Amino acid sequence: DAGVIQSPRHEVTEMGQEVTLRCKPISGHNSLFWYRQTMMRGLELLIYFNNNVPIDDSGMPEDRFSAKMPNASFSTLKIQPSEPRDSAVYFCASSLAQTGQGYTFGSGTRLTVV
Amino acid sequence: SQKIEQNSEALNIQEGKTATLTCNYTNYSPAYLQWYRQDPGRGPVFLLLIRENEKEKRKERLKVTFDTTLKQSLFHITASQPADSATYLCAIPYGGSQGNLIFGKGTKLSVKP
Repeated sequence: DAGVIQSPRHEVTEMGQEVTLRCKPISGHNSLFWYRQTMMRGLELLIYFNNNVPIDDSGMPEDRFSAKMPNASFSTLKIQPSEPRDSAVYFCASSLAQTGQGYTFGSGTRLTVV
Repeated sequence: SQKIEQNSEALNIQEGKTATLTCNYTNYSPAYLQWYRQDPGRGPVFLLLIRENEKEKRKERLKVTFDTTLKQSLFHITASQPADSATYLCAIPYGGSQGNLIFGKGTKLSVKP
C-alpha cells in the first residue's frame, strides 16, 4: 500500500482564489481526518468522516471551508475564497475506527496564500 | 474541555543517553494515549498506543508509561541516537474511547553525537 496520498504537495495561491486539496486514504480504512498544522496552534482537527459520512465538522474554521468524501477512496478539502491566514500545512489521515489503532498520515499539502 | 500539553518545546541530549518526554492532559482520563514521531516536511508517524489499564508499554528502545492519577504519560527513548532527532507528539481521543484524536504541540528532540 502506498499509504495516504495527498496532492498537491505545495500550493501557492492568491488571496480570494479557490483552493482544493485532495486525499486518497488507505484502502480498507473507514475513517478519514483532515488536520491543519501551524507553529502557533499545532495540529488542529478540521473534520472527520466515518464510512464516507461527515461526523464532526466543528473544527472547520468558517463557511469558507468545505470537505467532501464522495467515496471510500477519495476526499477533498476546499477553501473558497482563500485568505492569507489559511496558510498552513494541511494533513489528511486515515484509520480503522474504534480500534484504537494509530492514524496513518499523508505527507501534507503546504498551502501559502499571498 | 479536554486539553493536552507537552511541557517542553525542545529537548537536547547527548547520544547514548535516555530521552524522556512528558505529556499531560486535563479533565477525564482517556481510554488510551498515542505517541507519534514527526520529521520535517512529513506527516506524523504512529509509534505506540497505551491503554488506560496498562502502566507501561515497550517497543524496542521506546518505553511509554501512563499514569491516570497524575494524568500524565512519559515517553522514553533509551540509548538515543542522532537518528532519533525529530518532533514527538502525544495524542488522546476526545469524546470517549472512540472519536477524534487531539494532539499536543510536540517536543522537538535533538540528539547530539
